[in-house]
Amino acid sequence: EVQVVESGGGLVQPGGSLRLSCAASGFTFSNYCMSWVRQAPGKGLEWVADIKQDGSERYFVDSVKGRFTISRDNAKNSLFLQMNSLRAEDTAVYYCARGRGYSRHWGQGTLVTVSS
Amino acid sequence: AIQLTQSPSSLSASVGDRVSITCRASQGISSALAWYQQKPGKPPKLLIYDASSLESGVPSRFSGSGSGTDFTLTISSLQPEDFATYYCQQFNSFPLTFGGGTKVEIK
Repeated sequence: EVQVVESGGGLVQPGGSLRLSCAASGFTFSNYCMSWVRQAPGKGLEWVADIKQDGSERYFVDSVKGRFTISRDNAKNSLFLQMNSLRAEDTAVYYCARGRGYSRHWGQGTLVTVSS
Repeated sequence: AIQLTQSPSSLSASVGDRVSITCRASQGISSALAWYQQKPGKPPKLLIYDASSLESGVPSRFSGSGSGTDFTLTISSLQPEDFATYYCQQFNSFPLTFGGGTKVEIK
């Protein structure tokens, strides 16, 4: 069974940093692009970042460029999102999703709250 | 970035009704469009990909159509479990973008 499980969310002060992780199982992780999508409380979905299978291509939404980094460890079947210089508007549930473009498999999400 | 405009933003309907939701792209995206259903506290669920391909396991009352800039999600006979929020997403080019969502409520 395909599973992706996010972790690492929590409360952080504005300007702070947080690293999200996504543990994948049930499929050959190194064969798939992976994505992060977020959803602010009561709001719609926003695609955040995407990484190619070997990490050679990475894409970001403009609002996080220069602040967020996406990476992966194929040996450990893990995806990461390093978030720096966090702002109140980054408060959201962050979902890990398998694939580039549309995604069939999503995690349950991890909540990031940026507040003083 | 390609903008997706969904309409309506919300609708009230009864069980058994035929419901249509539209998604308009700010520029042509061929058939690179997906539709998702989301219920409160849950991740999105893929319904339709490539504008009109039904995801495995999704009931046939869901269908998608369109190409270029105009797309439609249709639920032929609304069921109680279909009350949720629906999103379109384009994957023609980065940054990937979602529509603002359509909340389907019980009349």
